[in-house]
Amino acid sequence: AAGVIQSPRHLIKEKRETATLKCYPIPRHDTVYWYQQGPGQDPQFLISFYEKMQSDKGSIPDRFSAQQFSDYHSELNMSSLELGDSALYFCASGRGRTDTQYFGPGTRLTVL
Amino acid sequence: AQSVTQPDIHITVSEGASLELRCNYSYGATPYLFWYVQSPGQGLQLLLKYFSGDTLVQGIKGFEAEFKRSQSSFNLRKPSVHWSDAAEYFCAVGAGNNDMRFGAGTRLTVKP
Repeated sequence: AAGVIQSPRHLIKEKRETATLKCYPIPRHDTVYWYQQGPGQDPQFLISFYEKMQSDKGSIPDRFSAQQFSDYHSELNMSSLELGDSALYFCASGRGRTDTQYFGPGTRLTVL
Repeated sequence: AQSVTQPDIHITVSEGASLELRCNYSYGATPYLFWYVQSPGQGLQLLLKYFSGDTLVQGIKGFEAEFKRSQSSFNLRKPSVHWSDAAEYFCAVGAGNNDMRFGAGTRLTVKP
């Protein structure tokens, strides 16, 4: 069965650079969620989209923005990167706003 | 606001022994409850979920969980642990919206 695809899987950036993470949901899923998991931490909800509109907002810094496109894929844009942004970033997808969230493999971002 | 507590940070069991991972939640209404498993550096794999109905839920890999409203608990169990079950286990609660909250996780070590 198709799963959530995230790219890139690994990304190394320097401080103050920008990064773009991509998420391709499971086919026919219309909802995308973004989470950040720091080392040894539990995943923290950042933001979500339903039918290409922002649905809910969590602890996403103002330096980050995201959107969901017409094909339902989503991109998380991160600017002015800081060392503390180093983390595993997960995307999850689901159907509607109350379905189970299925997670992708994550993008490991390292900020040097 | 919903929250999740996993009281055990680290649990060690012998291979073949039974396992119970504890999870307590806080939420005003009936929550949606999930257990995910994460291997090192990997994504989150859904083990099982509870939305409504039968309070004993069967999942993949021989896991089950029981929803006990009176105790606000959703403990994960497995009758006989295999070495491949060693991983981090996260309990999560969703309220039918986009904001899914995770517990801090329980790391499971399996002794030969």
